[in-house]
Amino acid sequence: DAGVIQSPRHEVTEMGQEVTLRCKPISGHDYLFWYRQTMMRGLELLIYFNNNVPIDDSGMPEDRFSAKMPNASFSTLKIQPSEPRDSAVYFCASTSFRGWETQYFGPGTRLLVL
Amino acid sequence: DAKTTQPNSMESNEEEPVHLPCNHSTISGTDYIHWYRQLPSQGPEYVIHGLTSNVNNRMASLAIAEDRKSSTLILHRATLRDAAVYYCILSDYNTDKLIFGTGTRLQVFP
Repeated sequence: DAGVIQSPRHEVTEMGQEVTLRCKPISGHDYLFWYRQTMMRGLELLIYFNNNVPIDDSGMPEDRFSAKMPNASFSTLKIQPSEPRDSAVYFCASTSFRGWETQYFGPGTRLLVL
Repeated sequence: DAKTTQPNSMESNEEEPVHLPCNHSTISGTDYIHWYRQLPSQGPEYVIHGLTSNVNNRMASLAIAEDRKSSTLILHRATLRDAAVYYCILSDYNTDKLIFGTGTRLQVFP
C-alpha cells in the first residue's frame, strides 16, 4: 500500500482565497483524522471520521473550516476564506478497528497564507 | 483526556541507549500508553504501545511502571536517524482520539 496520500504537499495562497486540502486514507481503514501543526499550538486534532461520518469536529477552529468525506477513499479539508493565522502543516491520518489503534500519518500539506 | 508530562528535550550520543521518561499520574485502568515520534519535516509515526506489561518491538522497548503512573521508552542504541520529537500519549479505550502533547525533542550526537 502507498500509505496515506495528501495533496498538495505545499500550498501558498493569499488571504481571502479558498484552500482545499485532500487526503486518501489507507485502503480498508475505517477512521480518518485531520490534524494541524504549528509551532505555537503543536499538533491539534481538528476532526475525525468513522466510516465516512464525522464523529468529532470539536477541534475545528471556526466556521471557515469544513471537512467532508464523500467516500471511504477520499476526504477534503476546506478553508474559506483563508487567513494568515491558518498557516500551518496539515496532516491526515488513518487507522482501522478503533481510532486509537496505530494511526498512519500522511506527509502533510504545508500551507502558507500571505 | 488524561495528561502526560515529558521533558522538553534530551540529548544522547550515537550508539548509546536512550531512556525517554513519561509521567501519567492520572492514568485510568483502560488507558493505553502510546509512543509516536516525528522526524524532521515528516508526519508522526507509531513507535510502540502497551497497557500493563513491558513491550518490545524492532524499534524500541516500552517499560511500564507497576502502578502505571509512569513509563519509559527505551531506544537500545541511538542512531542519528533517531533524532526526533517523541510523544507519549494516553488513549482512553472508550474514545477514538489520540491527543498529542508537546513531546520530548531528542538530539543525537555523533
